[in-house]
Amino acid sequence: EAGVAQSPRYKIIEKRQSVAFWCNPISGHATLYWYQQILGQGPKLLIQFQNNGVVDDSQLPKDRFSAERLKGVDSTLKIQPAKLEDSAVYLCASSLVAGDNTGELFFGEGSRLTVL
Amino acid sequence: AQSVSQHNHHVILSEAASLELGCNYSYGGTVNLFWYVQYPGQHLQLLLKYFSGDPLVKGIKGFEAEFIKSKFSFNLRKPSVQWSDTAEYFCAFGSARQLTFGSGTQLTVLP
Repeated sequence: EAGVAQSPRYKIIEKRQSVAFWCNPISGHATLYWYQQILGQGPKLLIQFQNNGVVDDSQLPKDRFSAERLKGVDSTLKIQPAKLEDSAVYLCASSLVAGDNTGELFFGEGSRLTVL
Repeated sequence: AQSVSQHNHHVILSEAASLELGCNYSYGGTVNLFWYVQYPGQHLQLLLKYFSGDPLVKGIKGFEAEFIKSKFSFNLRKPSVQWSDTAEYFCAFGSARQLTFGSGTQLTVLP
């Protein structure tokens, strides 16, 4: 079974530039998550989708971050404009159970962003 | 607000030593508890989980964890670590809306 796919694996940009990350979850998984993991910290939830609807985006900095999951499958996370403090690994995860945080999440390898 | 505390940021052990990683959570309601592991260069993966029932749960690779409700703790244990257990370990709990992670413990096992 294919896992959660993410791209790009690494991205270096200058502050005020924009960047986009892509995620393709495990086939059939209804719920998709984007987490931000800053060095030395645990993953922090940015946004959670159930199919193509947003379940929770309370911790998403909406002035610069946006995410979509238009067809209920793959998803993109965009940052515009980037700040130095956005340097982090952006993790995508998916789960089979819709709308239930039972924790059985499957993670991708992450996209490491460096903002200079 | 809900939170998870992992007491040790970095633990260094020799092979065959016993391991215990601390985890405490702060939440008043029913929780589901987890330990995730991230081996070098790999993605986060589930090590073990507790939903209900026997508070001593067993996971993969000989790991186990004990839920002590009165102490709000879910410590991870392994009686004898191996070099291949070198990884970062994250405690997490799931409430109705969120899965909250601790800051992680880096375990280094010396051969």
